[in-house]
Amino acid sequence: QVQLVQSGAEVKKPGASVKVSCKASGYTFSNYEINWVRQATGQGLEWMGWMNPNSGYTGYALKFQGRVTITRNTSISTAYMELSSLRSEDAAVYYCARGARRLGAAFDIWGQGTMVTVSS
Amino acid sequence: DIQMTQSPSSLSASVGDRVTITCRASQSISTYLTWFQQKRGKAPKLLIYAASSLQSGVPSRFSGSGSGTDFTLTISSLQPEDFATYYCQQTYSTPFTFGPGTKVDIK
Repeated sequence: QVQLVQSGAEVKKPGASVKVSCKASGYTFSNYEINWVRQATGQGLEWMGWMNPNSGYTGYALKFQGRVTITRNTSISTAYMELSSLRSEDAAVYYCARGARRLGAAFDIWGQGTMVTVSS
Repeated sequence: DIQMTQSPSSLSASVGDRVTITCRASQSISTYLTWFQQKRGKAPKLLIYAASSLQSGVPSRFSGSGSGTDFTLTISSLQPEDFATYYCQQTYSTPFTFGPGTKVDIK
């Protein structure tokens, strides 16, 4: 079935970087955009950026520009989100989500989420 | 950036009630509006896309309407499994901003 499976929970120290993976299966990876969204505990959803897996083109929310990098490896249908210079406020669950242009770019498939803890 | 607001921020309702949640965009987004349901500890689930189109597999008691800046999500007869937080999101332009959410709990 169509799914996105993310890598496991991470614990990082302030100032470090984290790289989360998102493996797609059940569909043609290059045909759909991948978005990254995060959610701090008890808080709302925050869009971080997106990537066109076919071209590799990316776009990032201004808040994260300079700290976030979204990449992909098309040979294994996997997208990655790397966030650098981590601070305590970056502790959150990070989700990847498929964007479907035929649905007005709606996010129709989500990964299970990856918990990132930032602690010294 | 396009700002999204939702009202109410929370509501209490009973099984069988009709529930309406409102979402407003700070500028026109045509019908590039999505509704999600999120339960505790789970990823969001797509309910409605393009403002009024029901995602496959979503019960027909969910409906969406609106265009431009004002949108609504309606649950015609609330079921026990519908107690959750609901978010709207615009995909008209990046950053694809979300509303702050509406928590629906049991009265």
